[in-house]
Amino acid sequence: GENVEQHPSTLSVQEGDSAVIKCTYSDSASNYFPWYKQELGKGPQLIIDIRSNVGEKKDQRIAVTLNKTAKHFSLHITETQPEDSAVYFCAASRAGNQFYFGTGTSLTVIP
Amino acid sequence: DGGITQSPKYLFRKEGQNVTLSCEQNLNHDAMYWYRQDPGQGLRLIYYSQIVNDFQKGDIAEGYSVSREKKESFPLTVTSAQKNPTAFYLCASSVYNEQFFGPGTRLTVL
Repeated sequence: GENVEQHPSTLSVQEGDSAVIKCTYSDSASNYFPWYKQELGKGPQLIIDIRSNVGEKKDQRIAVTLNKTAKHFSLHITETQPEDSAVYFCAASRAGNQFYFGTGTSLTVIP
Repeated sequence: DGGITQSPKYLFRKEGQNVTLSCEQNLNHDAMYWYRQDPGQGLRLIYYSQIVNDFQKGDIAEGYSVSREKKESFPLTVTSAQKNPTAFYLCASSVYNEQFFGPGTRLTVL
């Protein structure tokens, strides 16, 4: 089955700096890669996603890049704000079947 | 959290008791999922259902059971056979690959 690895497990940045979280996957048939933000005690919320026919997608301060050849994808958050502090999860899915999640990155934005 | 509701938010049970967690969605999604989340860990799939009256085991199905009698509902029963049931349980539904989560139920077994 699919194996998704996520790094780093914790990340601290100064407010205004950029944050980058990276994930790798093993199944070349995976074609959908979402990113979720989870605040303490709440369910994960989809913040951005990318499909395998696209190399990059951007939504305001958030962007995701995908390298299908290397089987890795990354989340980029620019101009970080304290409210960006949360746990971020990447995932990989094939044809809407099972979703395989990374182990999460705890992001702290220091004011 | 979209149109997915989970109840209750917190649940306490004595060891050896079965307990059922509720998950309802009004998004008209065909697929629904149950995940378990332990502190500092990712989401592990317990069961998923792609259509009414059909469901498949995920990676950690032992000690759990589900039913899918209605499109809107996908309850999870944590049985006494589950060795370590204390965890945060998340329900999700999906359409066209996009998966949306409920607010979660925190189960504590005393």
